[in-house]
Amino acid sequence: DGGITQSPKYLFRKEGQNVTLSCEQNLNHDAMYWYRQDPGQGLRLIYYSQIVNDFQKGDIAEGYSVSREKKESFPLTVTSAQKNPTAFYLCASSLRPGNGYTFGSGTRLTVV
Amino acid sequence: RKEVEQDPGPFNVPEGATVAFNCTYSNSASQSFFWYRQDCRKEPKLLMSVYSSGNEDGRFTAQLNRASQYISLLIRDSKLSDSATYLCVVYPSGNTPLVFGKGTRLSVIA
Repeated sequence: DGGITQSPKYLFRKEGQNVTLSCEQNLNHDAMYWYRQDPGQGLRLIYYSQIVNDFQKGDIAEGYSVSREKKESFPLTVTSAQKNPTAFYLCASSLRPGNGYTFGSGTRLTVV
Repeated sequence: RKEVEQDPGPFNVPEGATVAFNCTYSNSASQSFFWYRQDCRKEPKLLMSVYSSGNEDGRFTAQLNRASQYISLLIRDSKLSDSATYLCVVYPSGNTPLVFGKGTRLSVIA
């Protein structure tokens, strides 16, 4: 079955450490996105990529980095520069801009 | 004015009730519209796209009013399982990402 997979589901890290969240899709979608959601809040766009080897900053890119070396994969690194990294991180993909998104099941990151 | 605005709720309704949510958007050139459903601590899932002529999927009806720049979602015969947050989503245009509203929370009570 085609889908989008995020791993791990839960992640605990010490303050000051970088951490990389995985996002893989086998839907043959061109575009991929990373969102952050805090409790009781809406989705905020971190980064997005519409083609391989290209990506753009979203509304809250500071303290995050991404790469898009393969169409299927769009990993997100939460760096030590991100001041409040504890959140629910969602990855999504779409066939092309303007199409509805398919979301992964998310990664809950807790920094202690 | 925010790009996509929704009443956060919560809307507390009894089983079997009809409930409607509205959502307004600021960009008159917006091209595509969607409703997503998000259960607590889960990912959003596409509920339905919204077409200019309005569309229905079972107990759910979506309407678009371009002149007034709002979309609506009507849920008939509410079920306990409809309890969730409903996200209004708009595609502005020009290869930009979708814009998500903050959601309207619905609780259906037995």
